[in-house]
Amino acid sequence: GESVGLHLPTLSVQEGDNSIINCAYSNSASDYFIWYKQESGKGPQFIIDIRSNMDKRQGQRVTVLLNKTVKHLSLQIAATQPGDSAVYFCAEAKANSGSARQLTFGSGTQLTVLP
Amino acid sequence: DAGVTQSPTHLIKTRGQQVTLRCSPKSGHDTVSWYQQALGQGPQFIFQYYEEEERQRGNFPDRFSGHQYPNYSSELNVNALLLGDSALYLCASSFVGRAGTDTQYFGPGTRLTVL
Repeated sequence: GESVGLHLPTLSVQEGDNSIINCAYSNSASDYFIWYKQESGKGPQFIIDIRSNMDKRQGQRVTVLLNKTVKHLSLQIAATQPGDSAVYFCAEAKANSGSARQLTFGSGTQLTVLP
Repeated sequence: DAGVTQSPTHLIKTRGQQVTLRCSPKSGHDTVSWYQQALGQGPQFIFQYYEEEERQRGNFPDRFSGHQYPNYSSELNVNALLLGDSALYLCASSFVGRAGTDTQYFGPGTRLTVL
């Protein structure tokens, strides 16, 4: 079946550097994409989302880029901090009239921020 | 404003037993989705409740059932527990309504261990 996947299972960056986490999706019908951060022992925390009618969306220190041509999603974190260390998941969903979307998650990328 | 809450935090059961997990959505939300997260994996969609009805279901057997109450809180029931049911069970709430954005916010999860 179609699924969301991540290119790298782990990523280590120096504190203060920028981080880029990549994600590939295969369901061309998906029109909504979300990034979640999950710290050990906690539930996923919403970071940022983007709809398929957009290519880029910015939040506080984070930017999500969507390339529909190659079905690729990325999360950029500026000035990475120790508190950013966590597992990052991308999720995709397609429109579903009358009810909330069913999210399909990838397997996650472990981001480690080095001092 | 309380976020999504789940109970209990941890649960230990033996094979063949039944379990009930509970979720209270974020204030103002009307939809509850349940996910199962195995260790080292991304969450997998179980089912979703809106207006007290199951609206969508993932690839999970009938042993998994649920309920939504008029106050939007929800329960997940699992019968005839198997060792493979050991996982973190996550509840996510969202607001569909008439103009909902359907961004899903997750609770802290219930860690179920089946012995």
